[in-house]
Amino acid sequence: LAKTTQPISMDSYEGQEVNITCSHNNIATNDYITWYQQFPSQGPRFIIQGYKTKVTNEVASLFIPADRKSSTLSLPRVSLSDTAVYYCLPGTGGFKTIFGAGTRLFVKA
Amino acid sequence: KAGVTQTPRYLIKTRGQQVTLSCSPISGHRSVSWYQQTPGQGLQFLFEYFSETQRNKGNFPGRFSGRQFSNSRSEMNVSTLELGDSALYLCASSLLTGGEAFFGQGTRLTVV
Repeated sequence: LAKTTQPISMDSYEGQEVNITCSHNNIATNDYITWYQQFPSQGPRFIIQGYKTKVTNEVASLFIPADRKSSTLSLPRVSLSDTAVYYCLPGTGGFKTIFGAGTRLFVKA
Repeated sequence: KAGVTQTPRYLIKTRGQQVTLSCSPISGHRSVSWYQQTPGQGLQFLFEYFSETQRNKGNFPGRFSGRQFSNSRSEMNVSTLELGDSALYLCASSLLTGGEAFFGQGTRLTVV
C-alpha cells in the first residue's frame, strides 16, 4: 500500500487559493488518488479523484504530475467553512485501508 | 437518494459489555467498510464486506467482528469492551470497486 506524506496543518485566509500537496512515492500503477474532507464528528466526504494530469470539479482541482508520485489538491477562494481535515488516499476500490493523519486546514477571516 | 445511515448515533457502554453497531448503505451499494476514529490514532480501517463476504480486515483484535446481510446492511460487534474502544465508528459504502466511498455520520461509542 502506498504511504502518503502530507503537511500536518496549514493556515489560510478567506478568499485565498489553498494548495495541499501529498507525496505518494510508491503508488501502484493502477491506483487512483482520492481526496476526502472531514469536519469534526462527521464522516469524511469525497472531494475529488484522479489518475493523472488535471481533474476539476465544482469544488476543487487535482493536479497529478506525470510520475504520479505526488498530487496537489487546489481549493479556490476558500471560506471559513472549508476549515477541515483533508486526506489524500492512493488506492483502488471504494474502501481505503490507510487514511493517514491528513492535513488540518484552518481558514481565518 | 438516502445516504449511509448508522445507528445508534451515540452509545454509552460499560467495560466488559458488548455492543452492536448498524450500518445501512446507500441503495445499490454492495461494499461496506468500517473504520474506527480516535484522536490519537486517526482513522483506522477495521474491515470491508462485499456481498456478505469479508474481503479485507485491518489490524484489530478478534473482539471486533462484523457481518453483512443479503440486503447489504452491515453490523459490527465489539465484545468485552475496553476503555480504549471509545471512538467514533464510521461506516462507508461504495459501488463495486473504484469511485468514491460515502460515509455515514458515525456512531460515537463511549466506554466507561
